[in-house]
Amino acid sequence: DTGVSQDPRHKITKRGQNVTFRCDPISEHNRLYWYRQTLGQGPEFLTYFQNEAQLEKSRLLSDRFSAERPKGSFSTLEIQRTEQGDSAMYLCASSFKGDGELFFGEGSRLTVL
Amino acid sequence: ILNVEQSPQSLHVQEGDSTNFTCSFPSSNFYALHWYRWETAKSPEALFVMTLNGDEKKKGRISATLNTKEGYSYLYIKGSQPEDSATYLCASNSGNTPLVFGKGTRLSVIA
Repeated sequence: DTGVSQDPRHKITKRGQNVTFRCDPISEHNRLYWYRQTLGQGPEFLTYFQNEAQLEKSRLLSDRFSAERPKGSFSTLEIQRTEQGDSAMYLCASSFKGDGELFFGEGSRLTVL
Repeated sequence: ILNVEQSPQSLHVQEGDSTNFTCSFPSSNFYALHWYRWETAKSPEALFVMTLNGDEKKKGRISATLNTKEGYSYLYIKGSQPEDSATYLCASNSGNTPLVFGKGTRLSVIA
């Protein structure tokens, strides 16, 4: 399968723990996006990369969140000191160019107890 | 902050009915309008990417129109089938910025 893959698909953690999600985009795509989706909402933009450069971060991305894309390939999204409000589906998407369609992974669902 | 609105929030139709949804977005500095279909337990998949005012696109029984001057797009499904049941997401951006998504329209097609 050469689509966007995300790992883990599901994560249950206790409040205060750190979690990390990984996204492997389609290999020739230079843009990678992270979105968060909560119940009843559409995907909300968190951050995006062009190659290894992080170009924009949403105000939703507090200082507990950090994202990296070393070498411009896979990306990680880390949440430190998780809170119950962080419970959501974290979606990764990639695109070949800025104005192209997004190819999404199946998401990583986080539950913070 | 760009705001994308979709209506209705949810819709139940009978198999064979035709239906349509609305997406509204700011018309100023418009760049692109995307439609995605998101089935349960799957990843969102692109249906259409539209950039030109007056553009109409079609894929099988699904079609979309775009009015960038007044800031709206319609998605039409002709002869709905149970497999069309999904959440339909609209997204737009201004300039070459990340897409902003609406809350989606959840469609249920009853056999």
